[in-house]
Amino acid sequence: ETGVTQTPRHLVMGMTNKKSLKCEQHLGHNAMYWYKQSAKKPLELMFVYSLEERVENNSVPSRFSPECPNSSHLFLHLHTLQPEDSALYLCASSQEASGRGEQYFGPGTRLTVT
Amino acid sequence: RKEVEQDPGPFNVPEGATVAFNCTYSNSASQSFFWYRQDCRKEPKLLMSVYSSGNEDGRFTAQLNRASQYISLLIRDSKLSDSATYLCVVSHQTGANNLFFGTGTRLTVIP
Repeated sequence: ETGVTQTPRHLVMGMTNKKSLKCEQHLGHNAMYWYKQSAKKPLELMFVYSLEERVENNSVPSRFSPECPNSSHLFLHLHTLQPEDSALYLCASSQEASGRGEQYFGPGTRLTVT
Repeated sequence: RKEVEQDPGPFNVPEGATVAFNCTYSNSASQSFFWYRQDCRKEPKLLMSVYSSGNEDGRFTAQLNRASQYISLLIRDSKLSDSATYLCVVSHQTGANNLFFGTGTRLTVIP
């Protein structure tokens, strides 16, 4: 596979469930990101990892927990979510976490919290 | 005030038309600028970077005005395949990569 892949593509979960989103990049990049995209809102950066270390956490609620076991994989662990957390969750990667380079996005996971 | 502001549209234009989008940003320390394209129910993809001197890529021209803190995208000879949402993106380049996205401008090219 090439580029950035995400699984699952769609997820419906109850507020008491625990689930995980997975992202994998096949581009040899050193930085990975989680974004949230809600209807009629701009993409919101949630987490940034550079060389497997978290370098940015934009005041995201603790019910979202990221994990980066290596530079190619990124997870977002979800627990006790709220209905307002329903959104498209996009993973992205870039060569470096410098702000100058292009970010490559995965297809996203469309999450519905019931 | 929002970091990046765009007219959400929608812009409905006939094939062959020229259409322009503008975007303003609030942080004068912003260093890098981009236009991304997002098709319906797909992920954003980089359309082009925006350089201080302005740059062109085929039918697409991007301009940056640092004094007024706005960025523009001009599409000439619109094609049906140009229908998408165009996202204006700026980066402060302070610390970790931190891109700020506009809400996007929706374009529909009509046959």
